[in-house]
Amino acid sequence: SAVISQKPSRDICQRGTSLTIQCQVDSQVTMMFWYRQQPGQSLTLIATANQGSEATYESGFVIDKFPISRPNLTFSTLTVSNMSPEDSSIYLCSVASGTDYGYTFGSGTRLTVV
Amino acid sequence: DAKTTQPPSMDCAEGRAANLPCNHSTISGNEYVYWYRQIHSQGPQYIIHGLKNNETNEMASLIITEDRKSSTLILPHATLRDTAVYYCIVRSASKIIFGSGTRLSIRP
Repeated sequence: SAVISQKPSRDICQRGTSLTIQCQVDSQVTMMFWYRQQPGQSLTLIATANQGSEATYESGFVIDKFPISRPNLTFSTLTVSNMSPEDSSIYLCSVASGTDYGYTFGSGTRLTVV
Repeated sequence: DAKTTQPPSMDCAEGRAANLPCNHSTISGNEYVYWYRQIHSQGPQYIIHGLKNNETNEMASLIITEDRKSSTLILPHATLRDTAVYYCIVRSASKIIFGSGTRLSIRP
């Protein structure tokens, strides 16, 4: 299965600032996904990052708050914009492995907004 | 994607089989059942998946009822390292939607 490198692993940010999270995959993948996991909660899908077109956002998530780039088939970024303490979460990227094994997840970015 | 229902928590004695149930009564014919687990502070890890036949791999067994409306994940000999949140997911399309999962605790 694909190997995902996600950076940074954690960060503490001031409210009102933005953070860009990077997701690098060791092989070309068609579909990449971004999830948010709030403290003590399950994972919530933010958006699907599409190469060559705009990301597809789930209900409750908007591009102005979570802009996503997907410049090629191995890389994507998620930006958390104008952060508030409510954005404190773990953010994870995921890729379809290309087999029936479903999806592979990165180790996540633990974001704390103060 | 169909919704799933899992008990919020379970516990199991170390060395015994852990049986984690999942209801997916609205599953349709082309939807697979997937199981993932998330150990604290890590990304979810794939365990097993199936369509209608029972499946077994080195980690677990998956038992799917004949009507496919429910399934059970079996960890045959639970260890302390199996302590995690286990997610049952039903999917046919291109994305995975997580439910609340079952927090499994293994007691020594």
